Amino acid sequence: DIVMTQSPDSLAVSLGERATINCKSSQSVLYSSNNKNYLVWYQQKPGQPPKLLIYWASTRGSGVPDRFTGSGSGTDFTLTINSLQAEDVAVYYCQQYYSAPHTFGQGTKLEIK
Amino acid sequence: EVQLVESGGGLVQPGGSLRLSCAASGFTFSSYEMHWVRQASGKGLMWVSRMNSDGSITTYADSVKGRFTISRDNAKNTLYLQVNSLRVEDTAIYYCARGGIYCSSASCYSYGLDVWGQGTTVTVSS
Repeated sequence: DIVMTQSPDSLAVSLGERATINCKSSQSVLYSSNNKNYLVWYQQKPGQPPKLLIYWASTRGSGVPDRFTGSGSGTDFTLTINSLQAEDVAVYYCQQYYSAPHTFGQGTKLEIK
Repeated sequence: EVQLVESGGGLVQPGGSLRLSCAASGFTFSSYEMHWVRQASGKGLMWVSRMNSDGSITTYADSVKGRFTISRDNAKNTLYLQVNSLRVEDTAIYYCARGGIYCSSASCYSYGLDVWGQGTTVTVSS
């Protein structure tokens, strides 16, 4: 199984500043036949189900603000949130969608400093 | 409106069974791979199982293999998860989710879990 490891486990960022969350997979999630990285980012707010933010490592989901940016390839990925807003307080998860079981990272809790 | 609604959770003793259901609406259910994901209280997400669109392929997390069975009824637009031999550590909110697909003129590509239900709670306790 592919192991997904996020860092940090939690972070506090001031409003308007940038938040950066990292995700590392134990093996490459780059599918060579279509050159897509099968890495997904989700946002989960308290009491709600997760919401898909970014797929294929860097493509924003429907309606996701452009302050959310995904980057990376192979085994190392980053979610960047620019100009942090109060509504961005949540837990963020990465998931590999390369092969089943589609494992998640442990989550990163983002708070306002 | 695209929607997934889970039901069937409850309180059950260790060793017991439940059948979870997920009713889909607002999209062509039979065209999509479907998944179950669970989350223990205050913990992270754990992927549980998936079934492809026609029900011919299933996959499970190691921790549930042999105890849980995923199935679907495309005529009823419903996904199921039969959970047997329940353990205390199976206590969680169980979410069903749709496997998103993007189709160009050339091919279709999966990309992640794009629609989620609100979840149903399973509590295993004596």
